[in-house]
Amino acid sequence: EAEVAQSPRYKITEKSQAVAFWCDPISGHATLYWYRQILGQGPELLVQFQDESVVDDSQLPKDRFSAERLKGVDSTLKIQPAELGDSAMYLCASSSWDPINTEAFFGQGTRLTVV
Amino acid sequence: AQSVAQPEDQVNVAEGNPLTVKCTYSVSGNPYLFWYVQYPNRGLQFLLKYITGDNLVKGSYGFEAEFNKSQTSFHLKKPSALVSDSALYFCAYQTGANNLFFGTGTRLTVIP
Repeated sequence: EAEVAQSPRYKITEKSQAVAFWCDPISGHATLYWYRQILGQGPELLVQFQDESVVDDSQLPKDRFSAERLKGVDSTLKIQPAELGDSAMYLCASSSWDPINTEAFFGQGTRLTVV
Repeated sequence: AQSVAQPEDQVNVAEGNPLTVKCTYSVSGNPYLFWYVQYPNRGLQFLLKYITGDNLVKGSYGFEAEFNKSQTSFHLKKPSALVSDSALYFCAYQTGANNLFFGTGTRLTVIP
């Protein structure tokens, strides 16, 4: 069964350092999402891509976060510099643009701890 | 503003009893509604969705949900709870731009 791949699974970084997360969506999925999930809360959408274009990044803290999906396939989310409050689970998901089969499939996430 | 609400942070149910996890929505037009489940330290797994058609939607692991337009609800149900159903459950809605937004989650605990 096809899966969304994310790496690394866990990351510990010092504040003010740069950190990057990688996501490889399910093959053929045009839509890719990055979410941040603080422990015990619901996922918060950071950025959404349709192919290589950003559809929504209204909740992305653009002074320190950046995301790209250069060839419309895999994607990278970067934080620079990391802050203590960035400690969270970062989830990547992908979905088809098909209006009937529109459910998103999630990767296992990257748990970030900033110390 | 559009949203989904999960009024209960925690639901406890005895094994073998029916379970309900509540969700209400405030979404304009014809909403696409979803339920996802999250096990510890894992990503979210899709359970079921309502797009159009029958108000009763059947999904994975024996779960079902009923879309109720008059009550703007989309409650998740299962006739007989298992201990392995204990997890965090999220209701979500989708807009026309394929945006996907989540509720705050409900932690379900099934007591043996």
